[in-house]
Amino acid sequence: EAEVAQSPRYKITEKSQAVAFWCDPISGHATLYWYRQILGQGPELLVQFQDESVVDDSQLPKDRFSAERLKGVDSTLKIQPAELGDSAMYLCASSLVADTTYEQYFGPGTRLTVT
Amino acid sequence: AQSVTQPDIHITVSEGASLELRCNYSYGATPYLFWYVQSPGQGLQLLLKYFSGDTLVQGIKGFEAEFKRSQSSFNLRKPSVHWSDAAEYFCAVVLDSNYQLIWGAGTKLIIKP
Repeated sequence: EAEVAQSPRYKITEKSQAVAFWCDPISGHATLYWYRQILGQGPELLVQFQDESVVDDSQLPKDRFSAERLKGVDSTLKIQPAELGDSAMYLCASSLVADTTYEQYFGPGTRLTVT
Repeated sequence: AQSVTQPDIHITVSEGASLELRCNYSYGATPYLFWYVQSPGQGLQLLLKYFSGDTLVQGIKGFEAEFKRSQSSFNLRKPSVHWSDAAEYFCAVVLDSNYQLIWGAGTKLIIKP
């Protein structure tokens, strides 16, 4: 069964350093989502892509976070500089299209710890 | 504003006992509702979803959920839990304006042997 791939699974970094996460969605899925999940909370959408275009990045802290999906396939989320409050699980999800009836499939996530 | 409430942060049940996890939503139109499960160290997996029709929906792993419009609820149930069901469970509603999921805070299920 096709899966959403994410790497790395775990990342420890010092504050003020740069960090990057990678996501490879299920083949053929046009819509890609990045979420941040703080321990004890539900996921919070950071950015949504439709193919290579950003559909919504209203919750992305653009002073330090950036996301790209250059060829409309895999995606990278970057934080520079990292802050202590960025410690969280970063989840990537994809769906065939952006539609209420289409399931979002999630990757295993990247657990970020900022020290 | 649309919101999803899961009133129980933790629930502990004995193995073999029945389970009900509560979910309430605030949404003006007909909601599209989901339950996801997140096992330790793993991503979120869809258990079941409700779009329309029969208000009792069946999902994977023996779970079911019932949509009750009058109570704005979509509670998840399982007649007999197994130790492998220990996980965190999230209820979510999708906004048909932008197809984005609004999530509850989750309920952590603990299974007693």
